[in-house]
Parts: sequence; structure tokens; C-alpha cells
Amino acid sequence: DGGITQSPKYLFRKEGQNVTLSCEQNLNHDAMYWYRQDPGQGLRLIYYSQIVNDFQKGDIAEGYSVSREKKESFPLTVTSAQKNPTAFYLCASSTAGQASRANYGYTFGSGTRLTVV
Amino acid sequence: SQQGEEDPQALSIQEGENATMNCSYKTSINNLQWYRQNSGRGLVHLILIRSNEREKHSGRLRVTLDTSKKSSSLLITASRAADTASYFCATDAGIQGAQKLVFGQGTRLTINP
Repeated sequence: DGGITQSPKYLFRKEGQNVTLSCEQNLNHDAMYWYRQDPGQGLRLIYYSQIVNDFQKGDIAEGYSVSREKKESFPLTVTSAQKNPTAFYLCASSTAGQASRANYGYTFGSGTRLTVV
Repeated sequence: SQQGEEDPQALSIQEGENATMNCSYKTSINNLQWYRQNSGRGLVHLILIRSNEREKHSGRLRVTLDTSKKSSSLLITASRAADTASYFCATDAGIQGAQKLVFGQGTRLTINP
């Protein structure tokens, strides 16, 4: 079955520690995204990537880093510079062509809940 | 940047009734999409309406779009307990490349049996 997998489901971070959230898709999608969701809030874009070896900052990129070495994978690192990392992190993917974006939206993973301890 | 503003923030209705949620946005868009999120889960794409469309149906879902008022509504007919979830609108203002969707704050819908 095609889909997008996030791991782990729950993650605990100590103060000053970097942690990496995994996101893998087998949908052959060109574009991938990371969003952050705080309780009772909408989603805010952290980073996105249109193609392998390319990525762009979203609205709240400070304290986060990403890489896109393979089409299938878009890991997110939450660094110690992110002062308030406790949140629900969602990865998504989509096609990127002009024609397809008129018909298809995102496919989301099931999320990673990150808590600072 | 939060482009979509949703109304109401929370809605509680009886099973079998219809539920209507509204979304307003600020800039010109390419398309508008609605997503559902069950508690603690990822979002699921429900329906996409393009800027040149005014109404779209999918099963019990009906979406309207008024680009002159920069607003959209999602109607769920004959609601079921399984429809209990948060519903988000998202706008796509781009033309090519990655879809940088901007999400609203969501409407929390509760269907009472």
C-alpha cells in the first residue's frame, strides 16, 4: 500500500538535545513538507522540499533543519536552538506539477508527538 | 501566516443533522481544500475546489467557494458519530512547484448520538 510513514509516534527530548523525526513516503511524490501543530491550533509550515537536494524555509524554520537526500525521505531535526519544541509534528507529501496540483492535495503521515522533559 | 479563518471554532450537533463550517481567506488562491483530523492523528484530504469552481460534491460533503467574498463553506449532511473530528480549510495560492498550503485554525465538530 502506498503511504507516508512517520516515526517515532512519541518522542521525548531533554533540554539541549537535538532529535530527528523520520518521514518516509512511497507515493513517488516530488514534494514533501513539515508542519507543526500546537494544541487547538492550525498547522504552521516549517520546511518544504520540491525536489531532491533542495528545500526551502517555511514560516517557522528557526531552530529546525532538514535534508532531502532521497526522494522518499525528508527527516526533520529539532535542534537545541528551538526553545519551545513541544508540539505535534506532521509530515506530508504531494505531487508538484501544475496540472496535478489542481486536482490533488496532500497526503499526511500520522504524526510525531514531541515532548520536552 | 494563517490565511484561513474558520467559523465556528467549535460545533456540537445531534446525529442526523447537517453541519456547516465556514472558512475565509485573505489573498487570491489557486484552490481551496478541506481536511479532517481525528484526535491525535494526521489529516485526511476530503475535497479540493478550484478557484474557477463554485460548488463541489463528494458523497455527503458539499463545498462552496465564493472568490468575490474570499470564503468557502463545508456542509456535511446527515451527520454520523464517526464525523466527530476537527475540520481544516487550506488554501493554495501558488501556480507551480510545491503546494505551500496555508491552514486555518480548524472547526472542532462533535456529533452527539
